[in-house]
Amino acid sequence: RKEVEQDPGPFNVPEGATVAFNCTYSNSASQSFFWYRQDCRKEPKLLMSVYSSGNEDGRFTAQLNRASQYISLLIRDSKLSDSATYLCVTLGGGGADGLTFGKGTHLIIQP
Amino acid sequence: DTAVSQTPKYLVTQMGNDKSIKCEQNLGHDTMYWYKQDSKKFLKIMFSYNNKELIINETVPNRFSPKSPDKAHLNLHINSLELGDSAVYFCASSQVWGVGRSSYNEQFFGPGTRLTVL
Repeated sequence: RKEVEQDPGPFNVPEGATVAFNCTYSNSASQSFFWYRQDCRKEPKLLMSVYSSGNEDGRFTAQLNRASQYISLLIRDSKLSDSATYLCVTLGGGGADGLTFGKGTHLIIQP
Repeated sequence: DTAVSQTPKYLVTQMGNDKSIKCEQNLGHDTMYWYKQDSKKFLKIMFSYNNKELIINETVPNRFSPKSPDKAHLNLHINSLELGDSAVYFCASSQVWGVGRSSYNEQFFGPGTRLTVL
């Protein structure tokens, strides 16, 4: 049973381009949603939370569709430093739950 | 001023040995977690402790025993290590406030402990 599904990539994108990834989640009780970023051999770090109304943080825009159980991330004007693995993450009901991670989408920004 | 720290960073050991990984957070968070990231890079929750009390215990062999001496520490002891235990183990913490307050659910991860069982 795959709870959070993502296209693993890699996505090879030229610098300056816009790139979008998405994921789907199976647990309809999930309450909170996030995109985490993980650099090679490093720990995951929160990129942004995802809200139903959609939210933006600089070049990054996240969207949540609860009806379709679908989450997206859009990166505009991509930079070389955006190269990383992007993890789609859900959190179930109950504050002390662990996060459920997708396997991640590997993004490579090319000069 | 590291927020979540783990020791050791690398651990290489023989099959059958017993080893421990330590985790400490100085964020004043109530909840701590252990995750395992396998060779396919899949991150999966193992345990969650809230105020020193076990909340989540996923399907993990009972050779793995978490211990929380206080709210700031969550250690992981592994008995009779097997080849399949080789992975990166991440500790994390969060300030739990309740459902829907995602800003309080953000989990901060330690740098990871790369365990290699030979």
